[in-house]
Amino acid sequence: DIQMTQSPSAMSASVGDRVTITCRASQGIANYLAWFQQKPGKVPKRLIYAASSLQSGVPSRFSGSGSGTEFTLTISSLQPEDFATYYCLQHNSYPYTFGQGTKLEIK
Amino acid sequence: EVQLVESGGGLVQPGRSLKLSCAASGFTFDNYAMHWVRQAPGKGLEWVSGMRWHIGSIGYADSVKGRFTISRDNAKNSLYLQMDSLRAEDTAFYYCVKDSGAGDLESWGQGTLVTVSS
Repeated sequence: DIQMTQSPSAMSASVGDRVTITCRASQGIANYLAWFQQKPGKVPKRLIYAASSLQSGVPSRFSGSGSGTEFTLTISSLQPEDFATYYCLQHNSYPYTFGQGTKLEIK
Repeated sequence: EVQLVESGGGLVQPGRSLKLSCAASGFTFDNYAMHWVRQAPGKGLEWVSGMRWHIGSIGYADSVKGRFTISRDNAKNSLYLQMDSLRAEDTAFYYCVKDSGAGDLESWGQGTLVTVSS
């Protein structure tokens, strides 16, 4: 099975900061990676698919990059509504696996 | 608009069974793979099972393999999850999720809560 190691598990940042979250796959997954945002009490929302493609309707301050085993989600300028938990997902092969999540809090 | 409505959750004793259903609408159901994802209260997301449109391709998380069975009825636009030998650690919200067509998880239902407790 493919393991996804996401870091950091939690972080605090200020409005306007640039933030980067990383996911590392235990073996190559090409670009079969997606990023999700989840706010408390809400259903997860897909932000990025195919490692770097922006979901329609998602602000352009969100971007994804990487291929193979190393992937990043970047928020270029944090907004108040971005404070949430973020997950990566590998869908290269069954069983799919999520990263452990990154809880982004206000500093 | 894609709609996914889960049902069948509830309180069940350890060792018993429960069957979840997901009613899908707003898209051509038999053209897409479908998945179940769960989230224990206060915990992260865990992919549980997935089934591509051709029933031959099915996957399970190691934690549920041999106990859970995914199935679908394309004529009824419905996805199911039969959960047997339930354990306390299966307590979670269970989400029905539509595949994007490229393998990832695109649209989510609101979830149904399964509580395994005596």
